[in-house]
Amino acid sequence: SAVISQKPSRDICQRGTSLTIQCQVDSQVTMMFWYRQQPGQSLTLIATANQGSEATYESGFVIDKFPISRPNLTFSTLTVSNMSPEDSSIYLCSVERQGVAFLEETQYFGPGTRLLVL
Amino acid sequence: AQTVTQSQPEMSVQEAETVTLSCTYDTSESDYYLFWYKQPPSRQMILVIRQEAYKQQNATENRFSVNFQKAAKSFSLKISDSQLGDAAMYFCAYTSGTYKYIFGTGTRLKVLA
Repeated sequence: SAVISQKPSRDICQRGTSLTIQCQVDSQVTMMFWYRQQPGQSLTLIATANQGSEATYESGFVIDKFPISRPNLTFSTLTVSNMSPEDSSIYLCSVERQGVAFLEETQYFGPGTRLLVL
Repeated sequence: AQTVTQSQPEMSVQEAETVTLSCTYDTSESDYYLFWYKQPPSRQMILVIRQEAYKQQNATENRFSVNFQKAAKSFSLKISDSQLGDAAMYFCAYTSGTYKYIFGTGTRLKVLA
C-alpha cells in the first residue's frame, strides 16, 4: 500500500479566493492523481501529474482553474482558483503502485481535503 | 466508453449477517481490473479487494469475497459476518490497465446492531 497525507484536511473559503492542497507520499511514485468528489457523488478524475512534465487534464477541467505542481516524486499540489460555491467538494489525491506481477497496478488514496466555499 | 453501475444506493445488514453489493460494468476490453473501495465516514478510501479479469478464480480477502461473472459483466461484493466497522460507502471501480479508473456511484452500507 502507500502512506499518503494531505493538507489541509478541511477548509472554508470565500468565493473568489484560491486554495492550494498539498499531497505527500511516503515513497517515490511516477504518477499522482487528483480527484474531485462532489457531495454525495462518485469520484471524478481531474488530472494526472507526472514529475517533470505538465499535468494532463481530463475533459471539463482546465489548468487555469486547477493548476497542479509536481516538483518531485513524492509531492504534488492542486490549486483551486477563483473559487465559487460549486467548487465545494472533497479533493483527493491518489498514487498508483505496481506490484511484481504483470500490470498489477492499484491506486491508493489520500484522506482527502473537504472544501466548503461560501 | 466504459461505464460502471451500482444500482443499490443504500443497503442495510444486521450485524453478523451477510450482505452482497452489486456492480455491473460495460467494456469492450478483454483484459481489465476491477476493484472495490471502502470509504468510511472519515472519508479515507481503502482498497478492499481487486480482481484481474484474466483470473477465473474469485478474489477473497478475509470476510470479503467477490462473485466475478465476466460474461455477464458483473462484479458483486459479498461481506460475511458483517461488523459495525463495515459501515461505509462502497465504490466499485474499473480500469483497463491504464491509469484511468472509472468509479460507480457508490452504495452506502448500514450495519444494524
